[in-house]
Amino acid sequence: DIVMTQSPDSLAVSLGERATINCKSSQTVLYTSDNHNYVAWYQQKPGQPPKLLIYWASTRQFGVPDRFSGSESGTDFTLTISSLQAEDVAVYYCQQYHTSPHTFGQGTKLEIK
Amino acid sequence: EVKLVESGGGLVKPGGSLRLSCAASGFIFSQAWMSWVRQTPGKGLEWVGRIKFQTDGGTTDYAAPVKGRFTISRDDSTNTLYLQMNSLKIDDTAVYYCAMIHYGAAGFWGQGTLVTVSS
Repeated sequence: DIVMTQSPDSLAVSLGERATINCKSSQTVLYTSDNHNYVAWYQQKPGQPPKLLIYWASTRQFGVPDRFSGSESGTDFTLTISSLQAEDVAVYYCQQYHTSPHTFGQGTKLEIK
Repeated sequence: EVKLVESGGGLVKPGGSLRLSCAASGFIFSQAWMSWVRQTPGKGLEWVGRIKFQTDGGTTDYAAPVKGRFTISRDDSTNTLYLQMNSLKIDDTAVYYCAMIHYGAAGFWGQGTLVTVSS
């Protein structure tokens, strides 16, 4: 199975500051036929289901604020929140959907400093 | 508006069976790949499996821990996704979510249904 390793496990950032969450896949998740990395990012707030933020590693789901962005470099993926808002407190997960099983990272808990 | 509503969760003894349902609306269900994801209380997410739409073969794919015990099916006439769970184990205790696949990812999620396996 492809292992998705997130870092850090938890993160505290001041309001208005940048938050960066990393995710590394144990092998390539690049689908060569369309040249997309098959990586998604989800946000989960307490008591709610996860919400898709980013797919194809860097494409924002419609309706997601543009302070959320995804980037990629080989097997390293990053979710960046450019200016943290109070409503961004949540657990964030990456997932690869290139190869079955579609494995998730262990999650990163984001809090306000 | 996409809406997914899971039902059928509850308390079951080890070795028992349960069938979860997911009622879908707000999109063309017959043209959507669908998946099940579970979340152990207080822990992370685990992909359970997926089903393609019928014109794509309607084929299924499962995670190793559930393969041979769980079966995903769909009824396009009633816009309903199913998860038949047999030979349940304590480790299957989780909240089970259905999700509509969007560009390969789990684009839209239901609120989930809790399955507790305990003697």
